[in-house]
Amino acid sequence: GNSVTQMEGPVTLSEEAFLTINCTYTATGYPSLFWYVQYPGEGLQLLLKATKADDKGSNKGFEATYRKETTSFHLEKGSVQVSDSAVYFCALSDSNTGNQFYFGTGTSLTVIP
Amino acid sequence: DAGVIQSPRHEVTEMGQEVTLRCKPISGHNSLFWYRQTMMRGLELLIYFNNNVPIDDSGMPEDRFSAKMPNASFSTLKIQPSEPRDSAVYFCASTGGGLNQPQHFGDGTRLSIL
Repeated sequence: GNSVTQMEGPVTLSEEAFLTINCTYTATGYPSLFWYVQYPGEGLQLLLKATKADDKGSNKGFEATYRKETTSFHLEKGSVQVSDSAVYFCALSDSNTGNQFYFGTGTSLTVIP
Repeated sequence: DAGVIQSPRHEVTEMGQEVTLRCKPISGHNSLFWYRQTMMRGLELLIYFNNNVPIDDSGMPEDRFSAKMPNASFSTLKIQPSEPRDSAVYFCASTGGGLNQPQHFGDGTRLSIL
């Protein structure tokens, strides 16, 4: 079946630190991979995506590379800011299941000044 | 561009009452999803529609929950009768046709059942 596993939180970092949030997946078809961000009191917002192996998604300084050999899509940012404090969700959509998404459990990030 | 619109943003009601949550997807999107988010269980898919037809409702917790999509621009999630354990944030999301399209989320309805 389809599933997403992401690292447990919460994660607390100092401003300007390097961020990595791990995400691995299992899929029956050819998945597209996504990272979403949720700020307090808001819905999930698309952060970046990658639709095939070796693609790199990037946005607002965040990056993630679709690694088929390791079934991973780790989120990275070189220098986090206080405003990056949020919950981050890894997700996949599988070509075999149409538009249905599979979300990870979310990782809470707090960045302290 | 208007995003996914949910109403109400907040709902507080007593147990036993009927609750109706509403969602207007992005115009032109043909898939609509209802999710529930709680601290204990995280984000759960309740039901989703393709072209106004329910495809998978296996996530609906019990018969007290029902969802409809009478047309392409409107959906409702109803809980009757409501219970305190239904307290959560309910999100609606929509996506356009074709593969690899992201889901677009509304801001959610925060439901509190007393």
